[in-house]
Amino acid sequence: KAGVTQTPRYLIKTRGQQVTLSCSPISGHRSVSWYQQTPGQGLQFLFEYFSETQRNKGNFPGRFSGRQFSNSRSEMNVSTLELGDSALYLCASSTGMGMNTEAFFGQGTRLTVV
Amino acid sequence: AQSVTQLGSHVSVSEGALVLLRCNYSSSVPPYLFWYVQYPNQGLQLLLKYTSAATLVKGINGFEAEFKKSETSFHLTKPSAHMSDAAEYFCAVSDRNRGSARQLTFGSGTQLTVLP
Repeated sequence: KAGVTQTPRYLIKTRGQQVTLSCSPISGHRSVSWYQQTPGQGLQFLFEYFSETQRNKGNFPGRFSGRQFSNSRSEMNVSTLELGDSALYLCASSTGMGMNTEAFFGQGTRLTVV
Repeated sequence: AQSVTQLGSHVSVSEGALVLLRCNYSSSVPPYLFWYVQYPNQGLQLLLKYTSAATLVKGINGFEAEFKKSETSFHLTKPSAHMSDAAEYFCAVSDRNRGSARQLTFGSGTQLTVLP
């Protein structure tokens, strides 16, 4: 069974640009969550999608947005990039919304903003 | 809001020695608790999880953790460290009070170094 696939693995963008990151969950998983990992702030929850609906959102500005498609694949978008957006963005998928449900993480997309 | 504290951002042990990584949570209601491991340039891999079925939880790679409500702790242990255990370890909680919504709140992580 294929794991969670995130593309691209590495990305370099310029301040002010926008970026779209993609996440393909494990087959059969309907919940996708996104996290930002930085050395200073650690791992922070961005948002969670289930059945194409955003179910939960973390404390990030509106420049961070996401969506989920009918095949459960998800994308997140960051507009007007800032240097502080440089981070490892991790996507996790799970079978459902249960709070004890295991989340399987992808390898992440390393975004560098210059 | 839930919070997780991992005592010790860096822990060094000798190969074959006991590994003890500390995690304390803040909640009046015991949350669901998880330990994840992250190798360089990789995502997170679940080691084990506590969901109230048993206080002593066994995970992969010989790791286990004990839930202690009186101490609000969920420390991770392994009897004998192996060089391949060198990685960063994260404790995380999922808040039962959030109803149907779920998000993991992570600790700041503990970098484990295993010395030969």
